[in-house]
Amino acid sequence: DTAVSQTPKYLVTQMGNDKSIKCEQNLGHDTMYWYKQDSKKFLKIMFSYNNKELIINETVPNRFSPKSPDKAHLNLHINSLELGDSAVYFCASSQDAGRETQYFGPGTRLLVL
Amino acid sequence: SQQGEEDPQALSIQEGENATMNCSYKTSINNLQWYRQNSGRGLVHLILIRSNEREKHSGRLRVTLDTSKKSSSLLITASRAADTASYFCATDFGNFNKFYFGSGTKLNVKP
Repeated sequence: DTAVSQTPKYLVTQMGNDKSIKCEQNLGHDTMYWYKQDSKKFLKIMFSYNNKELIINETVPNRFSPKSPDKAHLNLHINSLELGDSAVYFCASSQDAGRETQYFGPGTRLLVL
Repeated sequence: SQQGEEDPQALSIQEGENATMNCSYKTSINNLQWYRQNSGRGLVHLILIRSNEREKHSGRLRVTLDTSKKSSSLLITASRAADTASYFCATDFGNFNKFYFGSGTKLNVKP
């Protein structure tokens, strides 16, 4: 009965590859997010979708492209992976864009070699 | 920068003691939240305090907010080993539920 799930949990890949991370929430929420947590544990918002519409797009390299096929799913595709992309990526959801509490997934640990 | 900053970065106490963590921020906020992250897991929401509130309680948690000092504190009373985790504050000062997190306070509660 996982509320926010992410796949894969771990991802090890070579520089230059393209990879995708998937997120699904079964909470019936309208809004979903992607965060990046670096090695110093600093958590930074990347993107947010509300009802499949992009509403937050922070300064993120355009190698990162989010896609929301429906409001229960938010995927993150990363092209031409770089060493600096190594981090933990968290998906989160909230009831809607005006509600405050966010529910986080378990994270995807990406290591770029 | 816009994110909240937690202090101290790390805190080690004995079970039963109280733990206090602080968060400072730079711009006026709508709300401030505290989250907990257990090692290798996602963040879990603990408590939200609005800009017009000064104190909130939830079980063993007490959060205060001083908007004049742009700071908040999280107090965990009678700590337990299970409280060992990183604690983050998240500030919301704009639209669309955009929260800024710091790098957290790593709390270690020794049994």
